[in-house]
Amino acid sequence: GNSVTQMEGPVTLSEEAFLTINCTYTATGYPSLFWYVQYPGEGLQLLLKATKADDKGSNKGFEATYRKETTSFHLEKGSVQVSDSAVYFCALYFGNEKLTFGTGTRLTIIP
Amino acid sequence: NAGVMQNPRHLVRRRGQEARLRCSPMKGHSHVYWYRQLPEEGLKFMVYLQKENIIDESGMPKERFSAEFPKEGPSILRIQQVVRGDSAAYFCASSPGGKETQYFGPGTRLLVL
Repeated sequence: GNSVTQMEGPVTLSEEAFLTINCTYTATGYPSLFWYVQYPGEGLQLLLKATKADDKGSNKGFEATYRKETTSFHLEKGSVQVSDSAVYFCALYFGNEKLTFGTGTRLTIIP
Repeated sequence: NAGVMQNPRHLVRRRGQEARLRCSPMKGHSHVYWYRQLPEEGLKFMVYLQKENIIDESGMPKERFSAEFPKEGPSILRIQQVVRGDSAAYFCASSPGGKETQYFGPGTRLLVL
């Protein structure tokens, strides 16, 4: 079946550090890929997405590239801020079906 | 355009009681999904509904859980005879069609005493 494997957390970085959160997937076919972010006590917000190989999703300084050859969708940001502290979820999706989530990576940014 | 709305935001029940969770999708969205998030875990799919139809309930526990999305009104996730293991955050998502991005509500945090 389909599955998503995420880098285990928690991850703690200093402000302005470079961020990478790894995400790989297993799927039959070519799903759409998403990163969602969950701030404390809130629901999930869509951060970015990519729908086909080599697509790059980007938003709020975050980027992720859909790599078919390595079945990966790693999340990156060049300079993190305290406000980026949250839990990040990688997910895959085939049309008309449910989202399959990774277990989430808790990110804490210290000033 | 209001986002996905869920109520209540917090719900406390004693073991054996019933819990009803409501979800109003975004305007123009006719597809609703329910997910459950256990403490310190990712979200797990429960059920996918369109108006008056259950499309996929492969993630629903076989007993005590049911869901509906009537022609009028919100989608309801119903848990009968709750147990402590039902304590979790329940999230609803909606999309305009099955192939579109899902947008999530703020969740209902259920605590069973």
